Amino acid sequence: DQQVKQNSPSLSVQEGRISILNCDYTNSMFDYFLWYKKYPAEGPTFLISISSIKDKNEDGRFTVFLNKSAKHLSLHIVPSQPGDSAVYFCAAKGSGNTGKLIFGQGTTLQVKP
Amino acid sequence: NAGVTQTPKFRILKIGQSMTLQCTQDMNHNYMYWYRQDPGMGLKLIYYSVGAGITDKGEVPNGYNVSRSTTEDFPLRLELAAPSQTSVYFCASSPGEDTQYFGPGTRLTVL
Repeated sequence: DQQVKQNSPSLSVQEGRISILNCDYTNSMFDYFLWYKKYPAEGPTFLISISSIKDKNEDGRFTVFLNKSAKHLSLHIVPSQPGDSAVYFCAAKGSGNTGKLIFGQGTTLQVKP
Repeated sequence: NAGVTQTPKFRILKIGQSMTLQCTQDMNHNYMYWYRQDPGMGLKLIYYSVGAGITDKGEVPNGYNVSRSTTEDFPLRLELAAPSQTSVYFCASSPGEDTQYFGPGTRLTVL
């Protein structure tokens, strides 16, 4: 049972354009969502997060949108840069005090110069 | 401040061998986690710890054991290696219940 799904395995975007990465979840008890970025042969690095009480969070070129009724979140990167080429994982945290995260399968973003 | 460090970076094991993957963090984080990532898949939680002396199972704990005797260290033990345990293993730590900080990973192959 995949509680967090990233249905697009890959995405290719031209430099300077917008990249939109999508993530769907099934568990309405998730209260916190995160995006991680991963380069080859490195560990994931935290990118941006959003609490379930908000519908948008922005940090520089990165914006995360949360649509609770649709159980959907998206990451917008504007403008996209070649250095953004990486695998992006969305993750969700349930209520409780363990901090456990459920990860999606990841989307590989390629930004072409 | 090194963050989360993992050793070794790479390892090849024969079926039935044992090994310990080491994880150390110098951020004084109470929460620590072990994940595995299989090709084309997301990260799956193996074990986690909310403080020294406290550990609990994640989604895929079978074939693994952990201990947490200090805040800094969270080793992962494989007792009888199987080909299904071929994966990349990531350790992470967190000061609380939100953002986790990951180590660089250990790539393990079981032949």
